[in-house]
Amino acid sequence: GAGVSQSPRYKVAKRGQDVALRCDPISGHVSLFWYQQALGQGPEFLTYFQNEAQLDKSGLPSDRFFAERPEGSVSTLKIQRTQQEDSAVYLCASSPGPGPSIGYTFGSGTRLTVV
Amino acid sequence: QKEVEQNSGPLSVPEGAIASLNCTYSDRGSQSFFWYRQYSGKSPELIMFIYSNGDKEDGRFTAQLNKASQYVSLLIRDSQPSDSATYLCAVNMGAGKSTFGDGTTLTVKP
Repeated sequence: GAGVSQSPRYKVAKRGQDVALRCDPISGHVSLFWYQQALGQGPEFLTYFQNEAQLDKSGLPSDRFFAERPEGSVSTLKIQRTQQEDSAVYLCASSPGPGPSIGYTFGSGTRLTVV
Repeated sequence: QKEVEQNSGPLSVPEGAIASLNCTYSDRGSQSFFWYRQYSGKSPELIMFIYSNGDKEDGRFTAQLNKASQYVSLLIRDSQPSDSATYLCAVNMGAGKSTFGDGTTLTVKP
């Protein structure tokens, strides 16, 4: 596609509910990143894929967070048993080569609110 | 201490002035440096990247890098009200993740 597409745009979840956030990167982009952004702060790294391989998941805050990119294109970030502290904007970004090389293209983000 | 530090601002400049945004980083192994602009309620968009010491110019924007001082800056010449946004500095070790600062909020007053 022409840009990075994320869905849903907004998600309200009750505490304890599982959620799945989708990212469709720019076609052909090798690298895909997930970031979490709290209000007034910069994006915090969650995880990184190069094609279908998850090369770095050091930023996932707990084992409730899980990400996959099974065919090297679309990625899903899943959060199990959501907690209020999971409320944030979840940003997906892609880049054409390994790592951020010439920088990321971000999607519009998914704003998750846990009530 | 955060790995990437930025003055949170707000930084206010009059229209037509030069806005100077600064960023310091802690890891001497950092190899590539990025500036992103984020409008309120929107996602970040890439403005510039720089790898080598010195200046890199793109239109009204100039990125400056000093690896010895672990310092990177962004100058915006002839600032416009449409430049009002939060500017994020990001640093990368070579592959994998970029680490972001918390951003500097810039307001350009007409």
